[in-house]
Amino acid sequence: DTGVSQDPRHKITKRGQNVTFRCDPISEHNRLYWYRQTLGQGPEFLTYFQNEAQLEKSRLLSDRFSAERPKGSFSTLEIQRTEQGDSAMYLCASSGGPTQYFGPGTRLTVL
Amino acid sequence: DAKTTQPNSMESNEEEPVHLPCNHSTISGTDYIHWYRQLPSQGPEYVIHGLTSNVNNRMASLAIAEDRKSSTLILHRATLRDAAVYYCIRWSGGSQGNLIFGKGTKLSVKP
Repeated sequence: DTGVSQDPRHKITKRGQNVTFRCDPISEHNRLYWYRQTLGQGPEFLTYFQNEAQLEKSRLLSDRFSAERPKGSFSTLEIQRTEQGDSAMYLCASSGGPTQYFGPGTRLTVL
Repeated sequence: DAKTTQPNSMESNEEEPVHLPCNHSTISGTDYIHWYRQLPSQGPEYVIHGLTSNVNNRMASLAIAEDRKSSTLILHRATLRDAAVYYCIRWSGGSQGNLIFGKGTKLSVKP
């Protein structure tokens, strides 16, 4: 399977804990995006990488959020001191052109 | 601001054509129109995109109004697997290229 993969698919954590999600993009894609989706809404852009450089961050990405893409391959999204409002689906997408290919997402539940 | 307007929901019968409308009255001359769909519990999936001319692919057709202020996604024969939320997105591309999703149209397909 050469699609975008995300791990874990589901994560349940307690408020105040740190969590980290991983995204493996399609191998030849140089662009990688993170989005967040809450129930009943469309995905919202969080951040964007071109190769290993993080070129854009949304205002939604508070200082508790950090994303990395070492070596321009996989990416990680870490949330520190989770809050109940962080409960959402976190989606990763990659692209090498105008089309974005999405992973299945990581569903985070903060208790 | 998604800058596109879509009906919240639509219904179709199986094996009948479906026309999903989208208004984008403030679209600029260089913005593409992209359509993605999201099946339950999955990440969004690219459907089709176009600039000025009508476009066809194996999944759907995209009809773009001559003034580009509206477009219609056409599913020629709806199947139960086409039940999803369909997002119409203006995409300006450029160095970033993140997608700005609205709430989309939830399509239900009746057997």
